[in-house]
Amino acid sequence: AQSVSQHNHHVILSEAASLELGCNYSYGGTVNLFWYVQYPGQHLQLLLKYFSGDPLVKGIKGFEAEFIKSKFSFNLRKPSVQWSDTAEYFCAVNSNTGKLIFGQGTTLQVKP
Amino acid sequence: DAMVIQNPRYQVTQFGKPVTLSCSQTLNHNVMYWYQQKSSQAPKLLFHYYDKDFNNEADTPDNFQSRRPNTSFCFLDIRSPGLGDAAMYLCATSRATNPEAPQHFGDGTRLSIL
Repeated sequence: AQSVSQHNHHVILSEAASLELGCNYSYGGTVNLFWYVQYPGQHLQLLLKYFSGDPLVKGIKGFEAEFIKSKFSFNLRKPSVQWSDTAEYFCAVNSNTGKLIFGQGTTLQVKP
Repeated sequence: DAMVIQNPRYQVTQFGKPVTLSCSQTLNHNVMYWYQQKSSQAPKLLFHYYDKDFNNEADTPDNFQSRRPNTSFCFLDIRSPGLGDAAMYLCATSRATNPEAPQHFGDGTRLSIL
């Protein structure tokens, strides 16, 4: 069965620090990978997605993620976080069926 | 703006008292999903509709039902809520079920059980 694992449950950073959130998935076939963000009191929003092609994917608000097939990983990165990046981040995988399997989420708190 | 709207944002019900959560969309998407998200856990798919076709996840309890009277509206009915059903319920829509069609989420309804 497919599963998604996010290693960090709660991350605290100071503004301007670099961010990397880990995501690993288990599925042997073709996968489609997503990062969603949920700002406090708001709905889940798509940050970026990977289907094929360049494994380095750029998303909104300066976020990027790298798909490393050999490591079954899709880590999210941002070179310099801002206070407004405080949110919960979810990694998700989709196996061509339309069904999204989410990781348990990482809460990012950025201190001003 | 086109969006996914969930009502109410907060719902309180009594143990065993049926409750209905509502979702509407102005995106004219074919697919509507219901997820359950418990505290500090991942959203978990309960079921989805592709047009009028209902697709239930194998591990969704029988206590949970859904109705989709038209393209715009989808309801989640919990027949006899238990304490374990307290959670955030998320509605999402997509144009299709292929992965290239991203899912658009509503703000969620937080359900509390007394």
